[in-house]
Amino acid sequence: KNQVEQSPQSLIILEGKNCTLQCNYTVSPFSNLRWYKQDTGRGPVSLTIMTFSENTKSNGRYTATLDADTKQSSLHITASQLSDSASYICVVTTGGGNKLTFGTGTQLKVEL
Amino acid sequence: DVKVTQSSRYLVKRTGEKVFLECVQDMDHENMFWYRQDPGLGLRLIYFSYDVKMKEKGDIPEGYSVSREKKERFSLILESASTNQTSMYLCASSWSHAKWGGNQPQHFGDGTRLSIL
Repeated sequence: KNQVEQSPQSLIILEGKNCTLQCNYTVSPFSNLRWYKQDTGRGPVSLTIMTFSENTKSNGRYTATLDADTKQSSLHITASQLSDSASYICVVTTGGGNKLTFGTGTQLKVEL
Repeated sequence: DVKVTQSSRYLVKRTGEKVFLECVQDMDHENMFWYRQDPGLGLRLIYFSYDVKMKEKGDIPEGYSVSREKKERFSLILESASTNQTSMYLCASSWSHAKWGGNQPQHFGDGTRLSIL
């Protein structure tokens, strides 16, 4: 069964600090891996998409890594801001991009 | 910027009612999707459509139907609403994977929080 597991479930950090969110998956065959940010009361917004051959991708202060051998990905947030408070969802795609398996998300709270 | 608009942010209906959720996208995307999002379960695909008048069942289609009469509009229908359909419903759209490759992001609306009493 295709599964995507994220850790931690929730995280609280101080503004300005860095953090790393983890994603492990058992999806096969692998097409790509996506990270989405979902603010409270809003729909998810795409941060990065990585294919099998990419092992790192950045979007501003967000850097995603992918290890296709161990089926792990991480999302690193640098110099966190209050606006980073959100749920971060890892999504793995199979079937040429049409079939998505969603993780349950990591709830991040950035405090002063 | 892509805009996916869902007709209602909040909706309260009664058990047994027929409920329509509407979604419109302005980017001429071929693909459109309906998901529900429940705490601890992640997003689950109900139905998707890759062209006008085409539809495919997702992982949890029971109790739902869809309609896509125009490319920009995708409707989700709860034939006879039940309390276990209380949830957040998210619509999304994307470019065709067959035409543009499988790395097209899905663009989401802001959701409809539906309560069935």
